[in-house]
Amino acid sequence: GNSVTQMEGPVTLSEEAFLTINCTYTATGYPSLFWYVQYPGEGLQLLLKATKADDKGSNKGFEATYRKETTSFHLEKGSVQVSDSAVYFCALSRSGGGADGLTFGKGTHLIIQP
Amino acid sequence: EAQVTQNPRYLITVTGKKLTVTCSQNMNHEYMSWYRQDPGLGLRQIYYSMNVEVTDKGDVPEGYKVSRKEKRNFPLILESPSPNQTSLYFCASSPLGLAAFNEQFFGPGTRLTVL
Repeated sequence: GNSVTQMEGPVTLSEEAFLTINCTYTATGYPSLFWYVQYPGEGLQLLLKATKADDKGSNKGFEATYRKETTSFHLEKGSVQVSDSAVYFCALSRSGGGADGLTFGKGTHLIIQP
Repeated sequence: EAQVTQNPRYLITVTGKKLTVTCSQNMNHEYMSWYRQDPGLGLRQIYYSMNVEVTDKGDVPEGYKVSRKEKRNFPLILESPSPNQTSLYFCASSPLGLAAFNEQFFGPGTRLTVL
Protein backbone atom coordinates (compact mmCIF):
# COMPACT_ATOMS: atom_id res chain seq x y z
CA GLY A 1 0.00 0.00 0.00
CA ASN A 2 0.87 3.66 0.02
CA SER A 3 3.08 5.10 2.72
CA VAL A 4 5.11 8.20 3.51
CA THR A 5 8.20 8.27 5.71
CA GLN A 6 9.64 11.48 7.09
CA MET A 7 11.97 12.43 9.93
CA GLU A 8 9.91 13.12 13.03
CA GLY A 9 12.10 15.48 15.00
CA PRO A 10 11.90 17.75 16.72
CA VAL A 11 14.37 19.44 14.44
CA THR A 12 15.94 22.48 16.11
CA LEU A 13 17.81 25.06 14.04
CA SER A 14 19.08 28.57 14.49
CA GLU A 15 17.60 31.42 12.51
CA GLU A 16 19.08 31.75 8.99
CA ALA A 17 20.22 28.11 8.94
CA PHE A 18 19.63 25.85 5.93
CA LEU A 19 16.73 23.45 6.30
CA THR A 20 16.20 19.99 4.86
CA ILE A 21 13.34 17.73 5.90
CA ASN A 22 13.55 14.34 4.24
CA CYS A 23 10.50 12.61 2.81
CA THR A 24 10.36 9.31 0.96
CA TYR A 25 7.31 7.49 -0.26
CA THR A 26 5.95 4.17 -1.45
CA ALA A 27 3.06 4.25 -3.85
CA THR A 28 1.46 2.53 -6.78
CA GLY A 29 0.94 4.54 -9.90
CA TYR A 30 1.89 8.17 -10.15
CA PRO A 31 0.77 10.09 -7.09
CA SER A 32 0.92 13.83 -6.58
CA LEU A 33 3.11 14.92 -3.67
CA PHE A 34 2.43 17.65 -1.15
CA TRP A 35 3.93 19.44 1.81
CA TYR A 36 1.47 20.79 4.36
CA VAL A 37 2.33 23.00 7.33
CA GLN A 38 0.53 23.18 10.66
CA TYR A 39 1.13 26.21 12.87
CA PRO A 40 0.35 25.87 16.59
CA GLY A 41 -3.39 25.58 17.24
CA GLU A 42 -4.33 25.70 13.58
CA GLY A 43 -5.38 23.37 10.80
CA LEU A 44 -3.11 22.28 7.99
CA GLN A 45 -2.27 24.60 5.11
CA LEU A 46 -0.85 23.60 1.76
CA LEU A 47 2.76 24.75 1.48
CA LEU A 48 3.63 23.38 -1.96
CA LYS A 49 2.90 20.53 -4.32
CA ALA A 50 4.23 18.66 -7.35
CA THR A 51 2.09 16.56 -9.64
CA LYS A 52 4.63 14.69 -11.78
CA ALA A 53 8.22 13.51 -11.79
CA ASP A 54 10.89 16.25 -11.84
CA ASP A 55 8.35 18.94 -10.97
CA LYS A 56 9.57 21.45 -8.41
CA GLY A 57 7.07 22.95 -6.01
CA SER A 58 7.95 26.22 -4.31
CA ASN A 59 6.35 28.72 -1.95
CA LYS A 60 7.51 31.19 0.72
CA GLY A 61 11.15 30.27 0.09
CA PHE A 62 10.51 26.54 0.50
CA GLU A 63 11.22 24.11 -2.35
CA ALA A 64 10.79 20.41 -3.02
CA THR A 65 11.46 18.36 -6.15
CA TYR A 66 9.52 15.22 -7.10
CA ARG A 67 12.21 12.57 -7.58
CA LYS A 68 10.69 9.39 -8.95
CA GLU A 69 14.00 7.52 -9.20
CA THR A 70 14.62 7.91 -5.47
CA THR A 71 10.91 8.13 -4.49
CA SER A 72 11.65 11.29 -2.54
CA PHE A 73 10.23 14.77 -2.03
CA HIS A 74 12.61 16.50 0.36
CA LEU A 75 11.67 19.95 1.67
CA GLU A 76 14.38 22.65 1.65
CA LYS A 77 14.72 26.28 2.60
CA GLY A 78 17.87 28.33 2.35
CA SER A 79 17.42 30.55 5.40
CA VAL A 80 14.80 29.76 8.01
CA GLN A 81 13.05 32.26 10.25
CA VAL A 82 11.52 31.95 13.71
CA SER A 83 8.10 32.22 12.05
CA ASP A 84 8.79 28.93 10.21
CA SER A 85 8.45 27.03 13.48
CA ALA A 86 5.63 24.56 12.87
CA VAL A 87 4.89 20.92 12.11
CA TYR A 88 5.49 19.91 8.48
CA PHE A 89 3.68 17.00 6.84
CA CYS A 90 4.66 15.27 3.65
CA ALA A 91 1.72 13.65 1.86
CA LEU A 92 0.85 11.82 -1.30
CA SER A 93 -2.42 11.60 -3.11
CA ARG A 94 -4.19 8.39 -3.88
CA SER A 95 -7.03 8.08 -6.26
CA GLY A 96 -8.96 5.32 -7.88
CA GLY A 97 -9.48 1.73 -6.85
CA GLY A 98 -12.05 2.81 -4.32
CA ALA A 99 -9.80 5.17 -2.43
CA ASP A 100 -9.37 8.89 -2.62
CA GLY A 101 -7.53 11.23 -0.32
CA LEU A 102 -4.15 11.93 1.15
CA THR A 103 -1.70 9.61 2.89
CA PHE A 104 0.36 11.61 5.38
CA GLY A 105 3.71 11.11 7.00
CA LYS A 106 3.87 11.40 10.76
CA GLY A 107 4.96 15.02 10.68
CA THR A 108 8.21 16.82 11.49
CA HIS A 109 8.21 19.34 14.31
CA LEU A 110 10.52 22.22 13.38
CA ILE A 111 11.77 24.66 16.01
CA ILE A 112 13.70 27.74 14.93
CA GLN A 113 15.62 29.56 17.64
CA PRO A 114 16.52 33.26 17.33
CA GLU B 1 -14.13 34.50 3.54
CA ALA B 2 -13.59 31.04 2.03
CA GLN B 3 -13.28 28.58 4.84
CA VAL B 4 -14.02 25.22 6.41
CA THR B 5 -15.66 25.46 9.81
CA GLN B 6 -15.98 22.80 12.47
CA ASN B 7 -18.03 22.69 15.63
CA PRO B 8 -17.40 22.23 18.42
CA ARG B 9 -13.71 23.07 18.64
CA TYR B 10 -13.33 21.25 21.94
CA LEU B 11 -15.46 18.49 23.41
CA ILE B 12 -15.16 16.30 26.48
CA THR B 13 -17.66 13.46 26.68
CA VAL B 14 -18.14 10.06 28.26
CA THR B 15 -18.05 6.59 26.79
CA GLY B 16 -21.20 5.64 24.91
CA LYS B 17 -22.78 9.08 24.62
CA LYS B 18 -23.57 9.74 20.96
CA LEU B 19 -22.07 12.90 19.50
CA THR B 20 -21.84 14.74 16.21
CA VAL B 21 -19.06 17.00 14.99
CA THR B 22 -20.25 19.32 12.27
CA CYS B 23 -18.25 20.44 9.25
CA SER B 24 -19.30 23.07 6.76
CA GLN B 25 -17.54 24.65 3.77
CA ASN B 26 -18.59 27.73 1.81
CA MET B 27 -16.49 27.13 -1.31
CA ASN B 28 -18.95 24.91 -3.21
CA HIS B 29 -16.44 22.06 -3.07
CA GLU B 30 -17.51 18.61 -4.21
CA TYR B 31 -15.01 16.63 -2.16
CA MET B 32 -14.97 16.50 1.64
CA SER B 33 -13.08 14.31 4.07
CA TRP B 34 -12.49 13.61 7.75
CA TYR B 35 -9.09 12.86 9.28
CA ARG B 36 -7.92 12.15 12.77
CA GLN B 37 -4.52 13.22 14.05
CA ASP B 38 -2.75 11.26 16.77
CA PRO B 39 0.76 11.72 18.17
CA GLY B 40 3.29 9.61 16.32
CA LEU B 41 0.73 8.55 13.72
CA GLY B 42 0.19 11.70 11.68
CA LEU B 43 -3.19 12.16 10.01
CA ARG B 44 -5.31 9.21 8.97
CA GLN B 45 -8.40 9.40 6.81
CA ILE B 46 -11.69 8.29 8.36
CA TYR B 47 -14.28 8.84 5.61
CA TYR B 48 -14.56 10.88 2.47
CA SER B 49 -17.27 12.04 0.12
CA MET B 50 -16.92 12.72 -3.59
CA ASN B 51 -20.30 14.44 -3.82
CA VAL B 52 -23.77 14.64 -2.28
CA GLU B 53 -25.05 11.23 -1.17
CA VAL B 54 -21.70 9.58 -2.04
CA THR B 55 -19.51 8.54 0.89
CA ASP B 56 -16.68 6.00 1.22
CA LYS B 57 -14.49 4.58 3.93
CA GLY B 58 -10.96 5.78 4.47
CA ASP B 59 -8.24 4.02 6.43
CA VAL B 60 -9.82 4.05 9.90
CA PRO B 61 -13.64 4.12 9.56
CA GLU B 62 -14.52 1.81 12.47
CA GLY B 63 -16.72 3.49 15.06
CA TYR B 64 -17.63 6.45 12.84
CA LYS B 65 -20.49 7.38 10.53
CA VAL B 66 -20.89 10.24 8.10
CA SER B 67 -23.59 11.65 5.87
CA ARG B 68 -23.61 14.04 2.92
CA LYS B 69 -27.14 15.30 2.42
CA GLU B 70 -26.03 18.75 1.28
CA LYS B 71 -22.95 19.80 -0.62
CA ARG B 72 -21.70 22.17 2.07
CA ASN B 73 -22.07 19.91 5.14
CA PHE B 74 -20.31 16.69 6.12
CA PRO B 75 -20.99 15.77 9.77
CA LEU B 76 -19.00 13.11 11.61
CA ILE B 77 -21.07 10.94 13.93
CA LEU B 78 -19.79 8.83 16.79
CA GLU B 79 -22.71 6.58 17.79
CA SER B 80 -20.99 5.13 20.86
CA PRO B 81 -17.70 6.89 21.53
CA SER B 82 -14.88 5.04 23.23
CA PRO B 83 -11.63 6.33 24.82
CA ASN B 84 -9.58 5.21 21.79
CA GLN B 85 -11.44 7.82 19.76
CA THR B 86 -9.86 10.58 21.81
CA SER B 87 -8.07 12.53 19.12
CA LEU B 88 -7.79 15.75 17.12
CA TYR B 89 -10.20 15.67 14.17
CA PHE B 90 -9.89 17.64 10.96
CA CYS B 91 -12.42 18.15 8.21
CA ALA B 92 -11.13 19.04 4.74
CA SER B 93 -12.61 19.93 1.37
CA SER B 94 -11.34 20.08 -2.19
CA PRO B 95 -12.71 21.69 -5.37
CA LEU B 96 -13.10 18.62 -7.55
CA GLY B 97 -14.24 15.08 -7.06
CA LEU B 98 -10.73 13.70 -7.41
CA ALA B 99 -8.47 14.99 -4.68
CA ALA B 100 -5.39 13.62 -6.40
CA PHE B 101 -4.19 16.87 -7.90
CA ASN B 102 -6.00 19.40 -5.81
CA GLU B 103 -5.25 21.21 -2.64
CA GLN B 104 -7.35 20.19 0.33
CA PHE B 105 -8.54 23.01 2.59
CA PHE B 106 -8.59 22.08 6.25
CA GLY B 107 -10.79 23.23 9.08
CA PRO B 108 -9.33 24.39 12.41
CA GLY B 109 -9.77 21.02 14.12
CA THR B 110 -11.92 19.55 16.89
CA ARG B 111 -10.20 18.21 19.97
CA LEU B 112 -12.28 15.34 21.35
CA THR B 113 -11.71 13.65 24.70
CA VAL B 114 -13.71 10.54 25.56
CA LEU B 115 -13.59 9.59 29.24
